[in-house]
Amino acid sequence: EAGVTQFPSHSVIEKGQTVTLRCDPISGHDNLYWYRRVMGKEIKFLLHFVKESKQDESGMPNNRFLAERTGGTYSTLKVQPAELEDSGVYFCASSLQGFEAFFGQGTRLTVV
Amino acid sequence: AQTVTQSQPEMSVQEAETVTLSCTYDTSENNYYLFWYKQPPSRQMILVIRQEAYKQQNATENRFSVNFQKAAKSFSLKISDSQLGDTAMYFCAFMKLHTGANSKLTFGKGITLSVRP
Repeated sequence: EAGVTQFPSHSVIEKGQTVTLRCDPISGHDNLYWYRRVMGKEIKFLLHFVKESKQDESGMPNNRFLAERTGGTYSTLKVQPAELEDSGVYFCASSLQGFEAFFGQGTRLTVV
Repeated sequence: AQTVTQSQPEMSVQEAETVTLSCTYDTSENNYYLFWYKQPPSRQMILVIRQEAYKQQNATENRFSVNFQKAAKSFSLKISDSQLGDTAMYFCAFMKLHTGANSKLTFGKGITLSVRP
């Protein structure tokens, strides 16, 4: 069974540009989460989807971040326009029931 | 709000020895889960062990065990017979227990563990 897959693995963009990160959860997992780790800091929650609906988006930093989950399958996280402080590793996780979240390898975003 | 504190940024252990990673947390919740996640250099995080707060017995998974002290809000991870493959970053995490929908994780800063040959 395929795990959680994230694309791209690395992205380097200039300040002001737009970047879209993608996450493919484990098939059948209704719950999908986005987290971010800024260098040297804790991994912070961004938002939680249940199927295609946003269950909790309390961690989204500002309106430059837009997350979608098409048809309850894959999810995208768009940053527009990107700022220097958006640099970090963005993790996606999915879960079915119970309390184990399966994580992707993360996307390392560098804004220069 | 919940907080998770991992005060040691890094540790080192000799192969085959035992090491303990510390974690404390703060919450007003009574029902919750605690986790240790491992992130090897390849970067995919995997679950190491889980503890339900309502269980008094400490969780054990092969060489990994926890010392859960609910009153002290402490949740340390003990790795016995350390192996080179245990080299990774370890994150302690907290999750409120919700009826129905799953909940988000609150993480500590992580600790880098190096196992020396």
